[in-house]
Amino acid sequence: SQTIHQWPATLVQPVGSPLSLECTVEGTSNPNLYWYRQAAGRGLQLLFYSVGIGQISSEVPQNLSASRPQDRQFILSSKKLLLSDSGFYLCAWSRGTSGSSEQYFGPGTRLTVT
Amino acid sequence: GIQVEQSPPDLILQEGANSTLRCNFSDSVNNLQWFHQNPWGQLINLFYIPSGTKQNGRLSATTVATERYSLLYISSSQTTDSGVYFCAVTAGGSYIPTFGRGTSLIVHP
Repeated sequence: SQTIHQWPATLVQPVGSPLSLECTVEGTSNPNLYWYRQAAGRGLQLLFYSVGIGQISSEVPQNLSASRPQDRQFILSSKKLLLSDSGFYLCAWSRGTSGSSEQYFGPGTRLTVT
Repeated sequence: GIQVEQSPPDLILQEGANSTLRCNFSDSVNNLQWFHQNPWGQLINLFYIPSGTKQNGRLSATTVATERYSLLYISSSQTTDSGVYFCAVTAGGSYIPTFGRGTSLIVHP
């Protein structure tokens, strides 16, 4: 079966510090990978998605970047965090080569920038 | 792009009550999912239902694709049903789901 991992679960970082959040998927190959942010309130905002190694699409210009160094690894980074980067970050995956496949979410990372 | 509207935005129930959550979408879809986000933030897959009817215990869902809506039924609600319910659709072969803003459900004991 497939599983998705995210770490860390919670993070408190000062303004101006760097960020690295990691997401890995097990039990599948060539997945589509996604990073979402959920600020206070309910909405899910898509930040980045990737359909393959080294292929990253950005949905929202911002202080963050993403990389996919391996097939099942997706990393969200920032060189200098802003207060507005606080939020709940969710990684998700779906089966590649199909736009109609089910999406599965990781447990999330709660980031507080102080 | 496709628009997704969920109603009601907020719902408060007593334990044991039934409820219906609605998801309207503005165009044909090839994927529709219902999720439950629990109080710890985890998004749990409830149904993958681009059309038809499915049931899983006390929960069931129906999607009428030709009329562009989906319904999530919760029967005999329990306090553990509390959280936010999201509908997400994908259209036109896109890899990018469009999420509704969710329905926040609180079930009181």
